[in-house]
Amino acid sequence: ILNVEQSPQSLHVQEGDSTNFTCSFPSSNFYALHWYRWETAKSPEALFVMTLNGDEKKKGRISATLNTKEGYSYLYIKGSQPEDSATYLCAFGRGSTLGRLYFGRGTQLTVWP
Amino acid sequence: GAGVSQSPRYKVAKRGQDVALRCDPISGHVSLFWYQQALGQGPEFLTYFQNEAQLDKSGLPSDRFFAERPEGSVSTLKIQRTQQEDSAVYLCASSPERGRIYEQYFGPGTRLTVT
Repeated sequence: ILNVEQSPQSLHVQEGDSTNFTCSFPSSNFYALHWYRWETAKSPEALFVMTLNGDEKKKGRISATLNTKEGYSYLYIKGSQPEDSATYLCAFGRGSTLGRLYFGRGTQLTVWP
Repeated sequence: GAGVSQSPRYKVAKRGQDVALRCDPISGHVSLFWYQQALGQGPEFLTYFQNEAQLDKSGLPSDRFFAERPEGSVSTLKIQRTQQEDSAVYLCASSPERGRIYEQYFGPGTRLTVT
C-alpha cells in the first residue's frame, strides 16, 4: 500500500488569513505530484502538477513547492477568501505505474467571512 | 469546451441490484481512468483505459466490478450485486495523449448509495 498523507485534515480560518497544507509521499520512484481543488458538487480542478525537485508553482494567491528527495509538498494560500473554501487533494504519480494517481485524504478548508 | 461528464450524478440502489455508471470523457482524450472515493478516504484507482484497451484493472475490488470502453470514447463502470461497501463517489478522469497521461481532467463524480 502506497501512503500519501495530508495534514491537517481540516482547517477553519478567517478571511484574509494565510494558510498552508502539507502532503507527504514516498520519495522513491517519483514521477509527478498534483494538487487538486474540489468544491462540493463540482469536478476536482487541477491546480498544479510538479515533476522536478525544487519546483515552485504559483497561480494568483495560491502557490506550491515540491521536495522529491524528502517526499513532501506544501500548498500555500495567501489572504484566504471564502471562495477558497474547498477540499484540497494531493496526488502522487509513480514511474512504475504510469497514469495511476495515489491520492491523500485531502484537507478541507473553510474560510469564514 | 465541454469537460468530463458523468451520469447519473446520484444513484441509490438496493443491495443486490446491478448498476451502470457512465463517463463521457473530453473529446479526443486517449486515456480514461476510474477512481472510487469512499467516505473519509481519498480517491482510489480502479482501472485505466488507453483508447479501447483496458491496460490496468488491478484496482477493481472484486469480480463484481467491470469496466468497458468499447469504442475508445464513452466508458461504463458496472457493478453487479451491489453491496453496502460499494457506497462511494465514483470519479472518472480523462487525459490527452500518452505523453501527458498525468494531466487528468475529472468529472463531477457519481455518488452511489447502496441501501
